[in-house]
Amino acid sequence: EVQLVESGGGLVKPGSSLKLSCVASGFTFSSYGMHWIRQAPKKGLEWIALIYYDSSNKYYADSVKGRFTISRDNSKNTLYLEMNSLRSEDTAMYYCAKGGVPYVMDAWGQGASVTVSS
Amino acid sequence: DIQMTQSPSSMSVSLGDTVTITCRASQDVGIYVNWFQQKPGKSPRRMIYRATNLADGVPSRFSGSRSGSDYSLTISSLESEDVADYHCLQYDEYPYTFGAGTKLELK
Repeated sequence: EVQLVESGGGLVKPGSSLKLSCVASGFTFSSYGMHWIRQAPKKGLEWIALIYYDSSNKYYADSVKGRFTISRDNSKNTLYLEMNSLRSEDTAMYYCAKGGVPYVMDAWGQGASVTVSS
Repeated sequence: DIQMTQSPSSMSVSLGDTVTITCRASQDVGIYVNWFQQKPGKSPRRMIYRATNLADGVPSRFSGSRSGSDYSLTISSLESEDVADYHCLQYDEYPYTFGAGTKLELK
């Protein structure tokens, strides 16, 4: 069974940093691209980043480019999202999701809540 | 960026209804559209991939279709467990973009 478990969320002040983790199991993590998607309270889904299976390519939404970094450690079956210069508008539930084409987002984690507030 | 204009934003439905939700892409995205279901407090679940393909374990009352730049999710004979939010996604081009979502509510 595919499992994705996010951790690392919390309450932080504007301008601070936070690093989310997503531990994968039940599939060959090193063979799949991985995504981060977020959802602000009462809002829709926003794709924010993708990393290829071998970290050779990374793509970001404009809203996070230059502030957030996606990375992975295939030896630990873990995906990361390093978030810097956090703003109130980054407050959201952050989900990791499995799969590059054609498996795009075929499995999701339960989410990690990030609140940016003074 | 490609815009996915999703309609309606909300819909009042009855059990047994046939429900259709549509996303219009602002430019050609080919077959690269997925549909997701999200229940309150839960993570999204992929329902349809590549515009028309039913994901594993999804009931056959769900279907996806495409007409030009319009992509539709249809639920036939709506059941109570189908009352949820639905989101479309285009993944033809970066940045991937979601529609704004459709909320189904029971009358």
